[in-house]
Amino acid sequence: EIVLTQSPATLSLSPGERATLSCRASQSVSKYLAWYQQKPGQAPKVLIYDTINRATGIPVRFSGSGSGTDFTLTISSLEPEDFAVYYCQHRSTFGQGTRLEIK
Amino acid sequence: QVTLRESGPALVKPTQTLTLTCTFSGFSFTTPGMCVSWIRQPPGKALEWLALIDWEDDKYYSTSLKTRLSISKDTSKNQVVLTMTDMDSVDTATYYCVRSQITGSTEFFDHWGQGTLVTVSS
Repeated sequence: EIVLTQSPATLSLSPGERATLSCRASQSVSKYLAWYQQKPGQAPKVLIYDTINRATGIPVRFSGSGSGTDFTLTISSLEPEDFAVYYCQHRSTFGQGTRLEIK
Repeated sequence: QVTLRESGPALVKPTQTLTLTCTFSGFSFTTPGMCVSWIRQPPGKALEWLALIDWEDDKYYSTSLKTRLSISKDTSKNQVVLTMTDMDSVDTATYYCVRSQITGSTEFFDHWGQGTLVTVSS
């Protein structure tokens, strides 16, 4: 079974800064990796699928990259509403999440 | 517009069986590729996928929980039902009903219900 490891566990940044979140798979998942954002009290929302494709309505400041076992979610310039928990996913497996908090 | 809504008990006792119903609209199991999963999240913890049923009525379960889970669908009612037996306090979580579409090898969860919190306590 594939394990997804996200790093860092917590990322402290200020609005306007660039955020880089990592997700590493225990074996190759090809390009089939998605990213989700979850705000307190809300269900997760898909941001990126198949590594690079933004879901409908997702701002262009969110981008994904990688392949095989190493993937990155980048938020180019943080907005106040971007501070949340982010999960990566492949098939039935989720990472443990990265909490993006305001510095 | 795709919507999913979970319903079921907010409180169950240890050893009891949990039954959750997902009622959805905006899509149908008559469309190839459509799937519905149950995903849970204990308070303050990560997401855990539990089970999936697809348009062909194929069923898939979490390896660690498969002996306790059963998933079924009623296509005419646009409903998916999850049962989980022998509930324990560690099963306390928010349970989400989630849609995905299988297109080739692409599979991600594109629409989520609001979730329902289930507490296991005597």
